[in-house]
Amino acid sequence: GQNIDQPTEMTATEGAIVQINCTYQTSGFNGLFWYQQHAGEAPTFLSYNVLDGLEEKGRFSSFLSRSKGYSYLLLKELQMKDSASYLCAVSNAGNNRKLIWGLGTSLAVNP
Amino acid sequence: DADVTQTPRNRITKTGKRIMLECSQTKGHDRMYWYRQDPGLGLRLIYYSFDVKDINKGEISDGYSVSRQAQAKFSLSLESAIPNQTALYFCATSAPETSGTDTQYFGPGTRLTVL
Repeated sequence: GQNIDQPTEMTATEGAIVQINCTYQTSGFNGLFWYQQHAGEAPTFLSYNVLDGLEEKGRFSSFLSRSKGYSYLLLKELQMKDSASYLCAVSNAGNNRKLIWGLGTSLAVNP
Repeated sequence: DADVTQTPRNRITKTGKRIMLECSQTKGHDRMYWYRQDPGLGLRLIYYSFDVKDINKGEISDGYSVSRQAQAKFSLSLESAIPNQTALYFCATSAPETSGTDTQYFGPGTRLTVL
């Protein structure tokens, strides 16, 4: 079967660093996405990894290990506005590929 | 102006009523999707369309139908609404043929309540 696992909830302190993990088992792989979703709003694209390694984009970085079926999203210098749900999604292989979504990790940033 | 728009943004209706949710996009993307999101269940794919002549069922299509009126428009219908269709509905678009990735861009969502 196809499955994506990520922690349900995390808490962190303003100014700190937090790492949100995602593990996946899919029938194929054509890239992994991270999205941010504030409560009641649409998911917004954060990052895309298709090759192993770290992709850095400002305060956010995303890492991928295809051999381990593992990714993480690293958020640095946390701000209150980073309180949101973070969704991990995998694009499976083939021409008819779709995104397989994790349930999301709800991050609460405390002062 | 927003690239992906949805109407209405909020709708309250009664059991048995027919409801249409509309999605329009100015991104020029060929692929369009309809999802619903429920607390604890994440995003679930209802229908998707890779071009105007291509419509596919997602994982939870029962009770729903869609129409792709043009490249830019993709409508979702609930033929006879029931309370367990109360959810937040999102439309999304993507263009892997031109962008090289399946990055999906979401509309603002429609909050539907069926009484």
